[in-house]
Amino acid sequence: GNSVTQMEGPVTLSEEAFLTINCTYTATGYPSLFWYVQYPGEGLQLLLKATKADDKGSNKGFEATYRKETTSFHLEKGSVQVSDSAVYFCALGGATNKLIFGTGTLLAVQP
Amino acid sequence: DARVTQTPRHKVTEMGQEVTMRCQPILGHNTVFWYRQTMMQGLELLAYFRNRAPLDDSGMPKDRFSAEMPDATLATLKIQPSEPRDSAVYFCASGLARGAIPSSSYEQYFGPGTRLTVT
Repeated sequence: GNSVTQMEGPVTLSEEAFLTINCTYTATGYPSLFWYVQYPGEGLQLLLKATKADDKGSNKGFEATYRKETTSFHLEKGSVQVSDSAVYFCALGGATNKLIFGTGTLLAVQP
Repeated sequence: DARVTQTPRHKVTEMGQEVTMRCQPILGHNTVFWYRQTMMQGLELLAYFRNRAPLDDSGMPKDRFSAEMPDATLATLKIQPSEPRDSAVYFCASGLARGAIPSSSYEQYFGPGTRLTVT
Protein backbone atom coordinates (compact mmCIF):
# COMPACT_ATOMS: atom_id res chain seq x y z
CA GLY A 1 0.00 0.00 0.00
CA ASN A 2 0.90 3.66 -0.05
CA SER A 3 3.25 4.88 2.65
CA VAL A 4 5.57 7.70 3.65
CA THR A 5 8.85 7.40 5.54
CA GLN A 6 10.59 10.42 6.94
CA MET A 7 13.73 10.78 8.96
CA GLU A 8 13.60 10.42 12.71
CA GLY A 9 14.11 13.48 14.81
CA PRO A 10 14.83 15.54 16.60
CA VAL A 11 16.99 17.58 14.28
CA THR A 12 18.92 20.24 16.16
CA LEU A 13 20.60 23.03 14.21
CA SER A 14 22.17 26.37 14.86
CA GLU A 15 20.61 29.45 13.32
CA GLU A 16 21.61 29.98 9.65
CA ALA A 17 22.52 26.31 9.19
CA PHE A 18 21.37 24.31 6.15
CA LEU A 19 18.40 22.03 6.68
CA THR A 20 17.49 18.75 5.03
CA ILE A 21 14.66 16.52 6.20
CA ASN A 22 14.42 13.34 4.18
CA CYS A 23 11.13 11.91 2.95
CA THR A 24 10.60 8.88 0.74
CA TYR A 25 7.36 7.35 -0.37
CA THR A 26 5.81 4.20 -1.77
CA ALA A 27 2.81 4.63 -4.01
CA THR A 28 1.09 3.36 -7.08
CA GLY A 29 0.14 5.85 -9.74
CA TYR A 30 0.99 9.54 -9.52
CA PRO A 31 0.45 10.87 -6.02
CA SER A 32 0.60 14.46 -4.84
CA LEU A 33 3.22 15.22 -2.20
CA PHE A 34 3.02 17.71 0.62
CA TRP A 35 5.00 19.14 3.50
CA TYR A 36 2.95 20.33 6.46
CA VAL A 37 4.35 22.19 9.46
CA GLN A 38 3.02 22.20 13.01
CA TYR A 39 4.14 24.97 15.35
CA PRO A 40 3.83 24.38 19.11
CA GLY A 41 0.22 24.34 20.28
CA GLU A 42 -1.22 24.74 16.79
CA GLY A 43 -2.75 22.64 14.04
CA LEU A 44 -0.90 21.63 10.91
CA GLN A 45 -0.57 24.05 8.04
CA LEU A 46 0.51 23.45 4.49
CA LEU A 47 4.09 24.51 3.83
CA LEU A 48 4.44 23.43 0.21
CA LYS A 49 3.28 20.84 -2.28
CA ALA A 50 4.07 19.26 -5.64
CA THR A 51 1.65 17.42 -7.87
CA LYS A 52 3.84 15.77 -10.50
CA ALA A 53 7.34 14.51 -11.11
CA ASP A 54 10.11 17.14 -11.19
CA ASP A 55 7.81 19.80 -9.73
CA LYS A 56 9.46 21.95 -7.09
CA GLY A 57 7.33 23.28 -4.28
CA SER A 58 8.61 26.31 -2.41
CA ASN A 59 7.46 28.62 0.36
CA LYS A 60 9.09 30.77 3.06
CA GLY A 61 12.58 29.74 1.89
CA PHE A 62 11.76 26.02 2.04
CA GLU A 63 11.94 23.86 -1.08
CA ALA A 64 11.22 20.27 -2.02
CA THR A 65 11.45 18.55 -5.40
CA TYR A 66 9.23 15.63 -6.42
CA ARG A 67 11.72 12.95 -7.54
CA LYS A 68 9.98 9.99 -9.08
CA GLU A 69 13.21 8.12 -9.88
CA THR A 70 14.19 8.07 -6.20
CA THR A 71 10.62 8.26 -4.82
CA SER A 72 11.67 11.16 -2.63
CA PHE A 73 10.47 14.61 -1.59
CA HIS A 74 13.20 15.94 0.69
CA LEU A 75 12.63 19.27 2.44
CA GLU A 76 15.47 21.81 2.33
CA LYS A 77 16.17 25.31 3.53
CA GLY A 78 19.40 27.18 3.06
CA SER A 79 19.42 29.14 6.30
CA VAL A 80 17.13 28.22 9.18
CA GLN A 81 15.85 30.62 11.82
CA VAL A 82 14.77 30.07 15.39
CA SER A 83 11.20 30.70 14.24
CA ASP A 84 11.40 27.58 12.01
CA SER A 85 11.42 25.36 15.09
CA ALA A 86 8.41 23.08 14.64
CA VAL A 87 7.38 19.57 13.63
CA TYR A 88 7.45 18.88 9.90
CA PHE A 89 5.24 16.23 8.28
CA CYS A 90 5.67 14.76 4.84
CA ALA A 91 2.38 13.56 3.34
CA LEU A 92 1.14 11.70 0.29
CA GLY A 93 -2.23 12.18 -1.32
CA GLY A 94 -4.20 11.48 -4.43
CA ALA A 95 -4.54 7.71 -4.44
CA THR A 96 -7.56 7.68 -2.14
CA ASN A 97 -9.38 10.33 -0.13
CA LYS A 98 -7.04 9.64 2.78
CA LEU A 99 -3.94 11.80 3.17
CA ILE A 100 -1.06 9.63 4.39
CA PHE A 101 1.25 11.36 6.84
CA GLY A 102 4.77 10.50 7.89
CA THR A 103 5.58 10.33 11.57
CA GLY A 104 6.84 13.89 11.75
CA THR A 105 10.31 15.33 12.35
CA LEU A 106 10.92 17.75 15.18
CA LEU A 107 13.26 20.60 14.22
CA ALA A 108 14.86 22.65 16.97
CA VAL A 109 16.87 25.70 15.90
CA GLN A 110 19.15 27.25 18.48
CA PRO A 111 20.26 30.89 18.41
CA ASP B 1 -8.54 35.49 7.12
CA ALA B 2 -10.73 32.35 7.01
CA ARG B 3 -9.89 29.72 9.62
CA VAL B 4 -11.22 26.47 10.93
CA THR B 5 -12.43 26.90 14.50
CA GLN B 6 -12.72 24.22 17.14
CA THR B 7 -14.32 24.20 20.57
CA PRO B 8 -13.44 23.57 23.29
CA ARG B 9 -9.69 24.06 23.07
CA HIS B 10 -9.13 22.02 26.20
CA LYS B 11 -11.32 19.45 27.92
CA VAL B 12 -10.66 17.47 31.08
CA THR B 13 -13.23 14.87 31.96
CA GLU B 14 -13.64 11.70 33.96
CA MET B 15 -13.80 8.25 32.50
CA GLY B 16 -17.34 7.33 31.44
CA GLN B 17 -18.45 10.87 30.65
CA GLU B 18 -19.66 12.01 27.25
CA VAL B 19 -17.41 14.37 25.32
CA THR B 20 -18.55 16.51 22.40
CA MET B 21 -16.08 18.39 20.23
CA ARG B 22 -17.22 20.92 17.66
CA CYS B 23 -15.71 22.22 14.47
CA GLN B 24 -16.68 25.05 12.16
CA PRO B 25 -15.10 24.46 8.75
CA ILE B 26 -14.11 27.29 6.45
CA LEU B 27 -17.15 28.67 4.66
CA GLY B 28 -17.47 27.14 1.22
CA HIS B 29 -15.34 24.10 1.93
CA ASN B 30 -17.00 20.79 1.11
CA THR B 31 -14.75 18.30 2.89
CA VAL B 32 -14.21 17.83 6.62
CA PHE B 33 -11.72 15.52 8.29
CA TRP B 34 -11.34 14.51 11.94
CA TYR B 35 -7.87 13.46 13.10
CA ARG B 36 -6.46 12.30 16.41
CA GLN B 37 -2.85 13.01 17.34
CA THR B 38 -0.91 11.17 20.03
CA MET B 39 2.78 10.72 20.68
CA MET B 40 2.52 6.97 20.20
CA GLN B 41 0.31 6.77 17.12
CA GLY B 42 1.00 10.09 15.45
CA LEU B 43 -1.81 11.44 13.25
CA GLU B 44 -4.74 9.11 12.68
CA LEU B 45 -7.70 9.84 10.41
CA LEU B 46 -10.91 9.13 12.29
CA ALA B 47 -13.61 10.27 9.87
CA TYR B 48 -14.11 12.07 6.59
CA PHE B 49 -17.11 13.93 5.18
CA ARG B 50 -17.75 15.25 1.72
CA ASN B 51 -20.73 17.51 1.11
CA ARG B 52 -21.83 16.62 4.67
CA ALA B 53 -22.04 12.90 3.85
CA PRO B 54 -19.86 10.55 5.90
CA LEU B 55 -17.65 8.72 3.42
CA ASP B 56 -15.11 7.05 5.66
CA ASP B 57 -15.15 6.40 9.37
CA SER B 58 -13.06 3.25 9.33
CA GLY B 59 -10.49 4.80 11.65
CA MET B 60 -13.00 5.41 14.40
CA PRO B 61 -13.91 3.01 17.24
CA LYS B 62 -17.58 2.81 16.40
CA ASP B 63 -18.76 1.47 19.71
CA ARG B 64 -17.97 4.76 21.43
CA PHE B 65 -17.22 7.38 18.77
CA SER B 66 -19.64 9.11 16.44
CA ALA B 67 -19.18 11.92 13.94
CA GLU B 68 -21.87 14.03 12.32
CA MET B 69 -22.39 17.15 10.24
CA PRO B 70 -25.81 18.53 11.15
CA ASP B 71 -25.24 21.39 8.72
CA ALA B 72 -22.51 22.77 6.49
CA THR B 73 -21.15 25.03 9.23
CA LEU B 74 -20.85 22.47 12.00
CA ALA B 75 -19.14 19.12 12.44
CA THR B 76 -19.23 17.23 15.72
CA LEU B 77 -17.24 14.37 17.19
CA LYS B 78 -18.68 12.60 20.22
CA ILE B 79 -17.17 10.06 22.53
CA GLN B 80 -19.51 8.14 24.83
CA PRO B 81 -18.35 6.76 27.17
CA SER B 82 -14.88 8.28 27.25
CA GLU B 83 -11.85 6.28 28.38
CA PRO B 84 -8.34 7.33 29.45
CA ARG B 85 -6.90 5.94 26.20
CA ASP B 86 -8.94 8.58 24.33
CA SER B 87 -6.67 11.29 25.73
CA ALA B 88 -5.18 13.04 22.70
CA VAL B 89 -5.39 16.18 20.59
CA TYR B 90 -8.29 16.04 18.15
CA PHE B 91 -8.01 18.10 14.98
CA CYS B 92 -10.63 19.06 12.49
CA ALA B 93 -9.57 20.03 8.97
CA SER B 94 -11.54 21.26 6.00
CA GLY B 95 -10.84 21.56 2.30
CA LEU B 96 -12.35 22.17 -1.10
CA ALA B 97 -12.42 19.14 -3.37
CA ARG B 98 -13.46 19.28 -7.00
CA GLY B 99 -14.95 16.64 -9.26
CA ALA B 100 -13.84 13.05 -8.98
CA ILE B 101 -10.29 13.87 -7.87
CA PRO B 102 -9.61 12.35 -4.44
CA SER B 103 -9.91 14.82 -1.59
CA SER B 104 -6.37 14.03 -0.44
CA SER B 105 -5.02 15.84 -3.52
CA TYR B 106 -6.12 19.17 -2.08
CA GLU B 107 -4.79 21.30 0.74
CA GLN B 108 -6.35 20.68 4.13
CA TYR B 109 -6.81 23.56 6.56
CA PHE B 110 -6.46 22.48 10.15
CA GLY B 111 -8.09 23.92 13.22
CA PRO B 112 -6.14 24.54 16.44
CA GLY B 113 -7.29 21.27 17.97
CA THR B 114 -9.07 20.15 21.13
CA ARG B 115 -6.77 18.74 23.79
CA LEU B 116 -8.74 16.03 25.59
CA THR B 117 -7.67 14.53 28.88
CA VAL B 118 -9.70 11.68 30.31
CA THR B 119 -8.88 10.76 33.91
